[in-house]
Amino acid sequence: TQLLEQSPQFLSIQEGENLTVYCNSSSVFSSLQWYRQEPGEGPVLLVTVVTGGEVKKLKRLTFQFGDARKDSSLHITAAQPGDTGLYLCAGGGADGLTFGKGTHLIIQP
Amino acid sequence: GAGVSQSPSNKVTEKGKDVELRCDPISGHTALYWYRQSLGQGLEFLIYFQGNSAPDKSGLPSDRFSAERTGGSVSTLTIQRTQQEDSAVYLCASSLTPAYPRGSPLHFGNGTRLTVT
Repeated sequence: TQLLEQSPQFLSIQEGENLTVYCNSSSVFSSLQWYRQEPGEGPVLLVTVVTGGEVKKLKRLTFQFGDARKDSSLHITAAQPGDTGLYLCAGGGADGLTFGKGTHLIIQP
Repeated sequence: GAGVSQSPSNKVTEKGKDVELRCDPISGHTALYWYRQSLGQGLEFLIYFQGNSAPDKSGLPSDRFSAERTGGSVSTLTIQRTQQEDSAVYLCASSLTPAYPRGSPLHFGNGTRLTVT
């Protein structure tokens, strides 16, 4: 069974600060996705990375896939209250798509 | 265009009753997934459909859970003899092609919040 560990589980910071959340596994994934979920809604895809070492940027969000394709990070620069939500990573492999438990992020104005 | 639609959005049922949850995927999406999300537990995979067949139903927690998909479109998740531990948000997602291993995007509905009393 492939497992994804996300850390931290909860994070509350002030608007304007930078933060990084992590997604780690002992398994190798063919792809890794990051989703954001707001209360009462389903997760929405932010990015998919497929190549080891790949870096993708989405405005103030920077996603990196580890060289060995076992881990990923999400860095947010100058966090805004609109970034508040549950951030989920999901690893894709031959056995399926495995979700982590998520990082609950709160950005306080 | 329309996204993934789930109904009902909320369902309260008594222990022991049967419930049916419905999912209307995005038109043309061949792959459909059911997940369960409990507080603090992340997304738990239940079942995957490709067209009308279910090549992976390994996540169904017991034989009280079943799902079907008809016409390559609408899917129904049925829970028989509901138990309190079945209380959760049930999410449906669809994708144009299978989401793994190469990461085709999943498009989620807003879920059905099931409460078993």
